[in-house]
Amino acid sequence: DTAVSQTPKYLVTQMGNDKSIKCEQNLGHDTMYWYKQDSKKFLKIMFSYNNKELIINETVPNRFSPKSPDKAHLNLHINSLELGDSAVYFCASSQGTSVADTQYFGPGTRLTVL
Amino acid sequence: AQSVTQPDIHITVSEGASLELRCNYSYGATPYLFWYVQSPGQGLQLLLKYFSGDTLVQGIKGFEAEFKRSQSSFNLRKPSVHWSDAAEYFCAVVPNTGGFKTIFGAGTRLFVKA
Repeated sequence: DTAVSQTPKYLVTQMGNDKSIKCEQNLGHDTMYWYKQDSKKFLKIMFSYNNKELIINETVPNRFSPKSPDKAHLNLHINSLELGDSAVYFCASSQGTSVADTQYFGPGTRLTVL
Repeated sequence: AQSVTQPDIHITVSEGASLELRCNYSYGATPYLFWYVQSPGQGLQLLLKYFSGDTLVQGIKGFEAEFKRSQSSFNLRKPSVHWSDAAEYFCAVVPNTGGFKTIFGAGTRLFVKA
């Protein structure tokens, strides 16, 4: 069973469209994250939720809106997509917010904006 | 400025040869230190971490890392590389400021030649 899954794996869309990426974890973890990995492989955190509450919100355009319907799910909705949004988006989860809690990453969603 | 640096963008080693990947950090207090591996098309996987204590840390897949406070370094090593080790390797830190936000280095791509 996949611990952290993301859908879709690939997403190709036009500028200006709105799209969503879904993430689910079956590890029973309380904390989930969204990371963005750009074309140079640079990985940066975007958001983190703990027990459905937003606890990290980096300097991300407000076109990006995370939603956590329950502890096992963290979705990312992106409005008015721009070329610069093209990247690989990783979801991750951890037991809690302790630095000792290992983060488990999903396989990534490659978003291409044309 | 606070940072985590991986000086080598890519490294090529022969199968069976030893490997050392470099990581340096610049923080006032020693941060928590991590190494992750990202295989092609996959999410990140934690190899090992250092919080305190013994400065030589053993991880999964035969990897180890040594913390050297005097050099602000946390280099990753493996005595004998296998072809399956070809991947992207990320050094990461969590600043010792009470938070849990992970900051990643730019990554080092490892190529293994037969």
